[in-house]
Amino acid sequence: GAGVSQSPSNKVTEKGKDVELRCDPISGHTALYWYRQSLGQGLEFLIYFQGNSAPDKSGLPSDRFSAERTGGSVSTLTIQRTQQEDSAVYLCASSLSSGVRTDTQYFGPGTRLTVL
Amino acid sequence: AQRVTQPEKLLSVFKGAPVELKCNYSYSGSPELFWYVQYSRQRLQLLLRHISRESIKGFTADLNKGETSFHLKKPFAQEEDSAMYYCALSGLSNTGKLIFGQGTTLQVKP
Repeated sequence: GAGVSQSPSNKVTEKGKDVELRCDPISGHTALYWYRQSLGQGLEFLIYFQGNSAPDKSGLPSDRFSAERTGGSVSTLTIQRTQQEDSAVYLCASSLSSGVRTDTQYFGPGTRLTVL
Repeated sequence: AQRVTQPEKLLSVFKGAPVELKCNYSYSGSPELFWYVQYSRQRLQLLLRHISRESIKGFTADLNKGETSFHLKKPFAQEEDSAMYYCALSGLSNTGKLIFGQGTTLQVKP
């Protein structure tokens, strides 16, 4: 079946502009995660959605970052007033059902964001 | 604080040589440990998890709670093992969020 998809695959923007990154999880997966992969920082957790529960936003680096998940499926990560340090690959993952910690997370191909 | 440390950014070995990618963690409870791998131009994917105690592609990893380590080992490296390897920890109840290490690039030379 189809895996996790993300769009766009690449995004180049100017400092100060807002960007939206999209994630389509695997159908039926109730848990959705956003991570950031950057040089020198490795992979950082950003935010996690589980069903209709309030999202865990503990990894968001600043209030310029926000995310939503509509209808328990598609998610959008928004970065306002982008800064050069926001340049990274943003990865989305989904899993069948969190609360069972061993669930495998399936990752998307990522969106490479470059802030000039 | 929860933390995963992979001390080596790059590990370079010759084909057929043994491989050990180091991973140490910091967590006060009972963690779940994973190894994820990202091959060139492919997605990040799960390689193995400690609770399964399985061998995948010849790789094994044993959780050592005394040393708080979860090193990844393979007795004979193959060129196709060249990739970026991430050790990850899941330690929070009712979430699956992963705390990743910095990653180690494994380069297997012919």
